[in-house]
Amino acid sequence: GAVVSQHPSWVICKSGTSVKIECRSLDFQATTMFWYRQFPKQSLMLMATSNEGSKATYEQGVEKDKFLINHASLTLSTLTVTSAHPEDSSFYICSVGVLGQGVSGNTIYFGEGSWLTVV
Amino acid sequence: GNSVTQMEGPVTLSEEAFLTINCTYTATGYPSLFWYVQYPGEGLQLLLKATKADDKGSNKGFEATYRKETTSFHLEKGSVQVSDSAVYFCALKQGGSEKLVFGKGMKLTVNP
Repeated sequence: GAVVSQHPSWVICKSGTSVKIECRSLDFQATTMFWYRQFPKQSLMLMATSNEGSKATYEQGVEKDKFLINHASLTLSTLTVTSAHPEDSSFYICSVGVLGQGVSGNTIYFGEGSWLTVV
Repeated sequence: GNSVTQMEGPVTLSEEAFLTINCTYTATGYPSLFWYVQYPGEGLQLLLKATKADDKGSNKGFEATYRKETTSFHLEKGSVQVSDSAVYFCALKQGGSEKLVFGKGMKLTVNP
């Protein structure tokens, strides 16, 4: 079964509004989650690292005031796209690393992804 | 910086055809290499991986060999099935980091 659940899978919003995407780890506690974004015909790009109980770490070029990340519990991280514009339309996906498995002690699990369309 | 370049699609094959998806990388040191697959409506799933040069990852009939001399990690399957229709991503990871660097992904459609 799914290890990471992401919601919603699809969302359409009006320009200027805010949209929240949730990422939940279902079977384990995650101190760190990752948010990626993929524009059409482009690579999945890491946006930010979500840290439980502290501020997220953003990659270069990602506006932290526009993409608000909250990791208030060990099983939930949220990404809020504030004042969304059509250019924010993209595929957003989260991932979680599980300690003690796979390469370097970690196995990475992904959510189903969320398609955001801003009209 | 690190980067991954993979064959772009979309690609359509007939069932039982041979599949190759090319992937090359640029990285410092010795990254770990991965192929992820995303089936319709699902999240990315790890298909196979290799952690050092000459390692071969394999799963579900798919194989890929870590070639340091050509900085490549091409994915192959001898006979594809309709159920292999998905988007395939090549990726690398450095050291103990959980951050992945992805290629653009390639959509594969297999027709009966």
